[in-house]
Amino acid sequence: QQPVQSPQAVILREGEDAVINCSSSKALYSVHWYRQKHGEAPVFLMILLKGGEQKGHDKISASFNEKKQQSSLYLTASQLSYSGTYFCGTEIAGTYKYIFGTGTRLKVLA
Amino acid sequence: DAGVIQSPRHEVTEMGQEVTLRCKPISGHDYLFWYRQTMMRGLELLIYFNNNVPIDDSGMPEDRFSAKMPNASFSTLKIQPSEPRDSAVYFCASRLAGGPGSSYNEQFFGPGTRLTVL
Repeated sequence: QQPVQSPQAVILREGEDAVINCSSSKALYSVHWYRQKHGEAPVFLMILLKGGEQKGHDKISASFNEKKQQSSLYLTASQLSYSGTYFCGTEIAGTYKYIFGTGTRLKVLA
Repeated sequence: DAGVIQSPRHEVTEMGQEVTLRCKPISGHDYLFWYRQTMMRGLELLIYFNNNVPIDDSGMPEDRFSAKMPNASFSTLKIQPSEPRDSAVYFCASRLAGGPGSSYNEQFFGPGTRLTVL
């Protein structure tokens, strides 16, 4: 039931791009993305409410393919500050119950 | 606003002892969530409240776990008796209502309580 993220971990050099995928076996009502730095709490990045929706936040953007029950997070020209664990999450339809994905650890090297 | 406040930040206890974790949500938020995070299981929802009323506690692992929200500004998560497998980081989060899928969906997390049961 938990959305599966891929890759599990990725290492980048500053300036490189990365894509993190989130896939669910059940229908995704909406998709949220959070980033958690080591030893800190998760911090909200963005939410996608509709299939086909795309959003951007600085050089981080996301897309949502409702039919495929997938979402992808795109990190462009990565910065050291992008390092952390990224989680996708979704609400169970009609509730406020959240389920978070398996997480992707991203490390950006200088 | 100070954000979501949790206490203690770290707790070390011995197996069999009672543990109480505390949370103060952001003022005005309607929903409060308790999560547990471990390497093996990731971020799991334990229970959530709406206007101080528990809505879904299906994630609470056992009867040893209980949660209360006596008023809009305070919630506790209690483990009695504690066991080594309860060791984890426990997060509290709050959010505004706005309908599932609304743009108010952002959850604000507290700093977490790192619990170690020896």
